[in-house]
Amino acid sequence: AQTVTQSQPEMSVQEAETVTLSCTYDTSESNYYLFWYKQPPSRQMILVIRQEAYKQQNATENRFSVNFQKAAKSFSLKISDSQLGDTAMYFCAFRSYSGGGADGLTFGKGTHLIIQP
Amino acid sequence: SAVISQKPSRDICQRGTSLTIQCQVDSQVTMMFWYRQQPGQSLTLIATANQGSEATYESGFVIDKFPISRPNLTFSTLTVSNMSPEDSSIYLCSVASGRGRGETQYFGPGTRLLVL
Repeated sequence: AQTVTQSQPEMSVQEAETVTLSCTYDTSESNYYLFWYKQPPSRQMILVIRQEAYKQQNATENRFSVNFQKAAKSFSLKISDSQLGDTAMYFCAFRSYSGGGADGLTFGKGTHLIIQP
Repeated sequence: SAVISQKPSRDICQRGTSLTIQCQVDSQVTMMFWYRQQPGQSLTLIATANQGSEATYESGFVIDKFPISRPNLTFSTLTVSNMSPEDSSIYLCSVASGRGRGETQYFGPGTRLLVL
């Protein structure tokens, strides 16, 4: 079974600063995906970024980027030029890829990110 | 991406009763997933629903408590049976969209359930 660990229950930074959220995972599989989801107070789960394990290049989406270290099983999220709207819970998630169809996600406990004005 | 709707968005129920949550997707999808998010907690996968077959339940979740239907490729229901206050949670429907290595999971807005 896979496990996902987010060691930072809460983080707070000033607007426009850069912040990094950490995530580590444990798996014996070689093919898998990693995700960061954002959950604002509305409770809607919003996909922020995804990374395929077979790709060495780190994924980026505008102000969001990841540092994927496969050997270390680490998958951190960097948010540049943070904005007030980035305030939310951030969940790291793992999904194996069996090739036969989608599998469910395993989530970390989440990091509550607060952007201060 | 997929557009997912859920009904009801929230409900307050009495213990011992049952509630059925509906999930509708705007496109045909093979796999649908149901998650539970207890207050202040992360998301936990309840079961995976594949059209035309029985749902697959995760450890700790049983069909008698959480029966699931998947009558077609755009719709699923989750029933929370014989509810107790411990069932108070947000229940989220999710679908896998895209193909092969491009698959990503998207979530509905959730159903917020309070059991008294």
